[in-house]
Amino acid sequence: DGGITQSPKYLFRKEGQNVTLSCEQNLNHDAMYWYRQDPGQGLRLIYYSQIVNDFQKGDIAEGYSVSREKKESFPLTVTSAQKNPTAFYLCASSTESDTQYFGPGTRLTVL
Amino acid sequence: GQNIDQPTEMTATEGAIVQINCTYQTSGFNGLFWYQQHAGEAPTFLSYNVLDGLEEKGRFSSFLSRSKGYSYLLLKELQMKDSASYLCAVLFNTNAGKSTFGDGTTLTVKP
Repeated sequence: DGGITQSPKYLFRKEGQNVTLSCEQNLNHDAMYWYRQDPGQGLRLIYYSQIVNDFQKGDIAEGYSVSREKKESFPLTVTSAQKNPTAFYLCASSTESDTQYFGPGTRLTVL
Repeated sequence: GQNIDQPTEMTATEGAIVQINCTYQTSGFNGLFWYQQHAGEAPTFLSYNVLDGLEEKGRFSSFLSRSKGYSYLLLKELQMKDSASYLCAVLFNTNAGKSTFGDGTTLTVKP
């Protein structure tokens, strides 16, 4: 079955540690996205990639990094420079018309 | 800017009809999406409008007026499971082919 997966579902991190969130899709979509969602808020774009080996910063890229070495994979690293990383992180991929298909999300908590 | 405005919260009764509005700036408009997001879960695609008019899909319909920068999502025969957040997202041709999300409208359906 085609879809988009994220792992892990829940992640706990100590302050000062980097952590990488996984996102994989087998929908053959070129474009992939990372969003952050805080309680009661909408989606804020962190990074996006429209093609392999290329990515652009979104609205809140500071403290985050990404890579796009394969079409199927778009991992997000939350670095220690991100001052308030506790949030729900959503990965998405999209068709040419930009209909977005979301993964189940990773809930990151900094202890 | 590309402000997308939706009401923060709405409440309706099971079996009733509810209309969720979304307004946006018209400059550079390419298309409008509606997504549904249940608490703690990923958003799922509901509809995509690019031309003026009403698109009906079962109990859900979406309307667009490009000249007015206005859309609404109409939910008929409300069910308890329709309690969720409804996200309006707009595709602007000035935004490198990616959608901008509103903050979402949280709908509570009461018995």
